[in-house]
Amino acid sequence: AQSVSQHNHHVILSEAASLELGCNYSYGGTVNLFWYVQYPGQHLQLLLKYFSGDPLVKGIKGFEAEFIKSKFSFNLRKPSVQWSDTAEYFCAVSGNTGGFKTIFGAGTRLFVKA
Amino acid sequence: EAGVAQSPRYKIIEKRQSVAFWCNPISGHATLYWYQQILGQGPKLLIQFQNNGVVDDSQLPKDRFSAERLKGVDSTLKIQPAKLEDSAVYLCASRSLREDTQYFGPGTRLTVL
Repeated sequence: AQSVSQHNHHVILSEAASLELGCNYSYGGTVNLFWYVQYPGQHLQLLLKYFSGDPLVKGIKGFEAEFIKSKFSFNLRKPSVQWSDTAEYFCAVSGNTGGFKTIFGAGTRLFVKA
Repeated sequence: EAGVAQSPRYKIIEKRQSVAFWCNPISGHATLYWYQQILGQGPKLLIQFQNNGVVDDSQLPKDRFSAERLKGVDSTLKIQPAKLEDSAVYLCASRSLREDTQYFGPGTRLTVL
């Protein structure tokens, strides 16, 4: 069955700490991978995406993610977080075998202490 | 470019009542999605339209949920009758055929008492 697993439900960091949020997926065939972010009081918005090519993808606000096909992973990273990064982060996958239906993980709530 | 519009933003009803949500996608986006997001979970696809046709409604509880997109533009999602477990945020998203990025609306938070 198609699924997305996010390793941490809640993460608390101090400003300037490094961030890595884990994401593993189960999805046959060619995949497209996404990280979405939902800031407090705002709607879901795309942070970054991977379709093909360089497995290291850079997104907005200094975020990046690395697609490791052999590990079925797409972890999100940021070298130095800011208070404004406090949000909920969702990993998602779609692909041609699922009719491009997008499957979301349960989300990780990140709180950054000032 | 205007984003995806949804209304109402909040709705409180009692169980067994009916409720309807409205979504207006980004202009020109052929694909429209309705998701249900229960507290503590990620969005779950309920139904996907391409223009006015249904592409996927495999996870739509058809005994109580219905959705339409008659003219291939805006869409309504209806719940009749509502149950307590329907309390969630209902998200609408749209996508252009030229890309695989969905754009989300602000959602409608439904509370069923």
